Amino acid sequence: SQELEQSPQSLIVQEGKNLTINCTSSKTLYGLYWYKQKYGEGLIFLMMLQKGGEEKSHEKITAKLDEKKQQSSLHITASQPSHAGIYLCGADRNGGSQGNLIFGKGTKLSVKP
Amino acid sequence: DAGVIQSPRHEVTEMGQEVTLRCKPISGHNSLFWYRQTMMRGLELLIYFNNNVPIDDSGMPEDRFSAKMPNASFSTLKIQPSEPRDSAVYFCASSFAGRGQYFGPGTRLTVL
Repeated sequence: SQELEQSPQSLIVQEGKNLTINCTSSKTLYGLYWYKQKYGEGLIFLMMLQKGGEEKSHEKITAKLDEKKQQSSLHITASQPSHAGIYLCGADRNGGSQGNLIFGKGTKLSVKP
Repeated sequence: DAGVIQSPRHEVTEMGQEVTLRCKPISGHNSLFWYRQTMMRGLELLIYFNNNVPIDDSGMPEDRFSAKMPNASFSTLKIQPSEPRDSAVYFCASSFAGRGQYFGPGTRLTVL
């Protein structure tokens, strides 16, 4: 069955620093989603990637899907305390397109002021 | 748009009691998902509906769990009888045509 592995599991950065979170799949990714979760709250949808080589940005967050469609990265530029939280990647299960997702275990990001 | 609405936000109950969690998806969304999140296992899909019809319930732990979606604007997840190991945060999410899922705030369930 398909699995998503995220790295690192946790990350502590100084405010203003850049950082990258990775998500690697055991199978080809047909739809890759990035979410952010704050403790005790629901997941907030950030971005969706579908095409190999695709890159999307929202404010200071950029997500990329590699050409082989087995790895995605999430890059935050000039991190701020508001970026702190848990970042999860999700992927369409078994190549489906109904939004039935599997998720990685998440990367916990802390930003020191 | 109000987003996905879940109730209650917190539930504390005793082992053996029946628990019902409720979800109202975003209007116009045609898929609804129930998840469970724990520290040990992360986020797990329990069941999902497409156009009110259950499509995949392979993630439902056992017969004590049941889910219904009587119409496009309402779904319930029921646990009967509840056990301490059911303690978790339960999320409901909805989507339209597979274009990303939008999550509710979750229900934090504690079974004593």
